[in-house]
Amino acid sequence: AAGVIQSPRHLIKEKRETATLKCYPIPRHDTVYWYQQGPGQDPQFLISFYEKMQSDKGSIPDRFSAQQFSDYHSELNMSSLELGDSALYFCASSLGTQPYGYTFGSGTRLTVV
Amino acid sequence: AQSVTQLGSHVSVSEGALVLLRCNYSSSVPPYLFWYVQYPNQGLQLLLKYTTGATLVKGINGFEAEFKKSETSFHLTKPSAHMSDAAEYFCAVILYSSASKIIFGSGTRLSIRP
Repeated sequence: AAGVIQSPRHLIKEKRETATLKCYPIPRHDTVYWYQQGPGQDPQFLISFYEKMQSDKGSIPDRFSAQQFSDYHSELNMSSLELGDSALYFCASSLGTQPYGYTFGSGTRLTVV
Repeated sequence: AQSVTQLGSHVSVSEGALVLLRCNYSSSVPPYLFWYVQYPNQGLQLLLKYTTGATLVKGINGFEAEFKKSETSFHLTKPSAHMSDAAEYFCAVILYSSASKIIFGSGTRLSIRP
């Protein structure tokens, strides 16, 4: 079965650079969620989209922005990167707001040097 | 306000012993409940979930959890630990009013002694 695809798997950036993370949801899933997991931390909710509109917002820095496109894939844009942005970024998708098919991708590991 | 609390940041059991990882939630309306496992440098793998119906939920790798509304708990158990069970375990909830975002507990690191 198709899963949530995240790219790239690993990314190394320097401070003050910009990074773009991509998430491709399970086919027919119309809701995408982004989470950030710092070293030794639990995943923290950043932002979500339903039918290409932002549906909820968590602890996402102003330097970050995200959007969902017409094919339901989503991109997380991170600017002016800081060392503290180094983390594992997960994307998850679901069908509407139903939790039954909630599925996580394998994550993108971002390292800021 | 913390929505899900995992008791014990580190649990160590002997191989073959019972595994019990504790999770309590705070919600007036029963939430959707999940247990995820994360191996080092890997992603989140769903072990099991409770949405509606039977309160005893069986998951992968021999794990199960029981939803107890009266105790607001969703503890994870496995009768006999295996070395391969060593990992970080996260209890998580989707609250009725949370627009489906998952809220994770702080995690419990499970170690298995030979």
